[in-house]
Amino acid sequence: GNSVTQMEGPVTLSEEAFLTINCTYTATGYPSLFWYVQYPGEGLQLLLKATKADDKGSNKGFEATYRKETTSFHLEKGSVQVSDSAVYFCALVSAGNQFYFGTGTSLTVIP
Amino acid sequence: GAVVSQHPSWVICKSGTSVKIECRSLDFQATTMFWYRQFPKQSLMLMATSNEGSKATYEQGVEKDKFLINHASLTLSTLTVTSAHPEDSSFYICSAQGAGGGISEKLFFGSGTQLSVL
Repeated sequence: GNSVTQMEGPVTLSEEAFLTINCTYTATGYPSLFWYVQYPGEGLQLLLKATKADDKGSNKGFEATYRKETTSFHLEKGSVQVSDSAVYFCALVSAGNQFYFGTGTSLTVIP
Repeated sequence: GAVVSQHPSWVICKSGTSVKIECRSLDFQATTMFWYRQFPKQSLMLMATSNEGSKATYEQGVEKDKFLINHASLTLSTLTVTSAHPEDSSFYICSAQGAGGGISEKLFFGSGTQLSVL
């Protein structure tokens, strides 16, 4: 079946620190992979995506590379800001167009 | 971008009562809306898919008589938790699918509802 495993939080970092949030997946076929972000009081928003192996999604300084050999899609940012404090969800979409989400990782960036 | 409004943000109710959660697409028409549930430390799990004007399709293990979904218009879907019990306490979130673009470009999420049943 399809599933997403995401590193547990919460994660607390100082401003300008390097961020990695691990995400691995199990899927049949060739899924598309996504990172969503939920800022306090708002809905989930698409942060970035990758649709095939070796694709790199990037947005707002965040990056994630679709690694088929390790079934991973880790989220990284070189220098986090206080405004990046949010909950981050890794997700995949299967051939049936259904989303499968991870548990979410809460990130707090302190000045 | 498109906005989906979900209300209430949080609700506390007594066991045995019913709770209604609304999900509205504010600036687009949503032919399909999805309802998810997240228990603590678990993944967001799809509960049901609703299409405007037709009966919702429920995922395996979700009781359709307990979780009533109404998608009466292209901008509104409601989820009613009937005879709520403490085990129904969870985070519920809706998403609305607009037209055009790929699956991710046209899917927008509400901010979620935290339900606590005493």
